[in-house]
Amino acid sequence: DGGITQSPKYLFRKEGQNVTLSCEQNLNHDAMYWYRQDPGQGLRLIYYSQIVNDFQKGDIAEGYSVSREKKESFPLTVTSAQKNPTAFYLCASKLGPSNEKLFFGSGTQLSVL
Amino acid sequence: GENVEQHPSTLSVQEGDSAVIKCTYSDSASNYFPWYKQELGKRPQLIIDIRSNVGEKKDQRIAVTLNKTAKHFSLHITETQPEDSAVYFCAASRNNQGGKLIFGQGTELSVKP
Repeated sequence: DGGITQSPKYLFRKEGQNVTLSCEQNLNHDAMYWYRQDPGQGLRLIYYSQIVNDFQKGDIAEGYSVSREKKESFPLTVTSAQKNPTAFYLCASKLGPSNEKLFFGSGTQLSVL
Repeated sequence: GENVEQHPSTLSVQEGDSAVIKCTYSDSASNYFPWYKQELGKRPQLIIDIRSNVGEKKDQRIAVTLNKTAKHFSLHITETQPEDSAVYFCAASRNNQGGKLIFGQGTELSVKP
């Protein structure tokens, strides 16, 4: 383990609250990704970033926001606009945007109080 | 948009039997097809991948086959063992898309001793 770290492991959100999930990697990877995992639906892409200070929406970006101010960090904010935020969130990274091995973090389980 | 369909959603086999999981993809420009294994409570990990210029690839007890014409690829596990029990995800990607992977819905494999 190590290389890509997500925190916290468990997170609870109240109604109307924004919460931020942390993702840090020390692999010197340029590309980073956020996936949402729901039972029976596989992994769906929320946002991705190919390089510092640049990011693109994935398939289910509504209600989420990201930033990429540093190469090592790609935090995900789940806003109050995301009406069904309960899910397992996985951060991943790889060396570059070409087709190479994707490394995953250990995930954050977000639940709504 | 791009889509990856994976079947079956659950698969139960006896120890020592073979297991086959199948995926179809919609984007004919896809050229990279990895398979990930996710054990309960853990992060997904790459177990094998194949590129579009290859029809088959083997690594000990696991193999992947690709049929570009039919746009489907399969994971074959021979001599299954209880430790093969996990959720398996197929994925597909193509160049010039930021390296984003489109995942299938997952197959929960159970190997009974």
